[in-house]
Amino acid sequence: GAVVSQHPSRVICKSGTSVKIECRSLDFQATTMFWYRQFPKQSLMLMATSNEGSKATYEQGVEKDKFLINHASLTLSTLTVTSAHPEDSSFYICSAEPGLAGGPWETQYFGPGTRLLVL
Amino acid sequence: GEDVEQSLFLSVREGDSSVINCTYTDSSSTYLYWYKQEPGAGLQLLTYIFSNMDMKQDQRLTVLLNKKDKHLSLRIADTQTGDSAIYFCAEMDSSYKLIFGSGTRLLVRP
Repeated sequence: GAVVSQHPSRVICKSGTSVKIECRSLDFQATTMFWYRQFPKQSLMLMATSNEGSKATYEQGVEKDKFLINHASLTLSTLTVTSAHPEDSSFYICSAEPGLAGGPWETQYFGPGTRLLVL
Repeated sequence: GEDVEQSLFLSVREGDSSVINCTYTDSSSTYLYWYKQEPGAGLQLLTYIFSNMDMKQDQRLTVLLNKKDKHLSLRIADTQTGDSAIYFCAEMDSSYKLIFGSGTRLLVRP
């Protein structure tokens, strides 16, 4: 149980285009989903926290107009990188929290990640 | 702010034990976690420990927590080549966010 999928697994796009990444919890409902960014050989940095049906909460320094997050259902959150530039190239990882059905120790099951390369 | 630190690299021989260390600064952390990341993949939760525990054992994994020194360790017994990966420790802060260390790359030599 507790499987989280991401699509696509990797994407290459031209500078100036927008890219949408999907994060799905396959066998549980996730009231909260998280989006992280990971640079090569570095740790995960939390970008934003999204709760189903409400606006995402962004971490300091993360541009909310550039990284649009939508959490329209209990099993799906999307991250759209708008007007992508080469510096946005990174590994984006989502995670999902079971919420009321689980406890803090079960927090955050992670997706496999999406590698974005902006040319 | 909170900070979590780990050594960057550890190399062991297959069959030996591996010990990965982590220090953290937030004394109010309630849960601490160990995650494994294989190349090009997301994170897999290995184990967790509640802050009022000193030790937790789960098959080949032993977690030790020294709350006074804010030191967490993960011991992997009988390390196998399949254990080669990056290991992240993480603490849950007071707002229920995970703060990750920089990761320790474990290399298991045959």
